[in-house]
Amino acid sequence: EVQLVQSGAEVKKPGESLKISCKGSGYSFTNYWIAWVRQMPGKGLEWMGIIYPGDSDTRYSPSFQGQVTISADNSINTAYLQWSSLKASDTAMYYCASARSISAAGYDYWGQGTLVTVSS
Amino acid sequence: QSVLTQPPSVSGAPGQRVTISCTGSSSNIGAGYHVHWYQQLPGTAPKLLIYDSNNRPSGVPDRFSGSKSGTSASLAITGLQGEDEGDYYCQSYDSSLSAPFGGGTKLTVL
Repeated sequence: EVQLVQSGAEVKKPGESLKISCKGSGYSFTNYWIAWVRQMPGKGLEWMGIIYPGDSDTRYSPSFQGQVTISADNSINTAYLQWSSLKASDTAMYYCASARSISAAGYDYWGQGTLVTVSS
Repeated sequence: QSVLTQPPSVSGAPGQRVTISCTGSSSNIGAGYHVHWYQQLPGTAPKLLIYDSNNRPSGVPDRFSGSKSGTSASLAITGLQGEDEGDYYCQSYDSSLSAPFGGGTKLTVL
């Protein structure tokens, strides 16, 4: 059974750093893309970026380029999304999702989401 | 402001048919890239409903169907049920090397 399990909810202060994770199981982790999607409270889905763990090819949305870093550790089948300095506007639910292709087939499996709250 | 435009809301009575549109441009849908549709029920993660414009993943009822023409795509839901109430998002690939979502459409079953 394919599963993406994300790390737990986080409460952070502005200016702090954070790294959240997404662990894949039940499939070949290095052969599927992993995307990160932001959903701010009461708002829609926003595509942040995507990584291919097989060769670490990473693409970012222009809106998120330079604001976050996407990475992966193939030895533990885990993808990461990290911030070096959080802002209150980073408060959101973050989802990871798997994809067979960067442009086709859609995101067929999703993590349960990680709620990040940034507040002083 | 997403590059894919969806109506903010649609509604229909149980048993009726509704459609949700997704309008893009020549740099995404019009460039021939596939369109995918997701359903997000309240308090849950999104779920893939239609992929590659008109294909249903295993387990998705055939009440859901997708189509694409030119720079637009549509999701149709027939035999509307109360459990269909939620938010629906389209997604495509863009020549800017990103994969944007539409702004989302809230479906209300009357």
